[in-house]
Amino acid sequence: KAGVTQTPRYLIKTRGQQVTLSCSPISGHRSVSWYQQTPGQGLQFLFEYFSETQRNKGNFPGRFSGRQFSNSRSEMNVSTLELGDSALYLCASSEGPGQEQFFGPGTRLTVL
Amino acid sequence: DQQVKQNSPSLSVQEGRISILNCDYTNSMFDYFLWYKKYPAEGPTFLISISSIKDKNEDGRFTVFLNKSAKHLSLHIVPSQPGDSAVYFCAAVLTSGTYKYIFGTGTRLKVLA
Repeated sequence: KAGVTQTPRYLIKTRGQQVTLSCSPISGHRSVSWYQQTPGQGLQFLFEYFSETQRNKGNFPGRFSGRQFSNSRSEMNVSTLELGDSALYLCASSEGPGQEQFFGPGTRLTVL
Repeated sequence: DQQVKQNSPSLSVQEGRISILNCDYTNSMFDYFLWYKKYPAEGPTFLISISSIKDKNEDGRFTVFLNKSAKHLSLHIVPSQPGDSAVYFCAAVLTSGTYKYIFGTGTRLKVLA
């Protein structure tokens, strides 16, 4: 089985712009979670989708949003980018809520 | 409010010796715990898990210990190998109701040859 894929792998944006990141889960996995990794903060949970519905949301501002499509692929959007949004954004898929998560390689976002 | 804490940001160990990575948590309702290993430019990969009803789980060179009264878990790697050098994250999971994985901040392990 192919693993979790994330596109793009690297992205450079400027403040005020918006960005969309994509995640394709492992085939058959219906749950997708998004995390932000920054030095010193570890992995911060953003949100989780299951069957196209957002089940959980972390403590991030409304500029961070996501969605999931019928094929379980998920996108994450960040609007009005700030310098502090520079981070590695990781997507993880699982068969269902509470099941073991498998991570993608991440998208490295740099905001200038 | 960090519910899962890894207080040591880094750890250096000689090859062949034991590596002990620690993790503390605050919520006694967590159902199980996991350890992930992360290499640069890769996503975290699952290493080992433990249910909250157990106090030990072993898989090859990796053993996880859970002390529920102290709300503490640890990962032991014996013997440590240079290929174990990575960032290790512990995670706690609530599976009832609205659940989520809560990760610690990570510990960078360096195994010296």
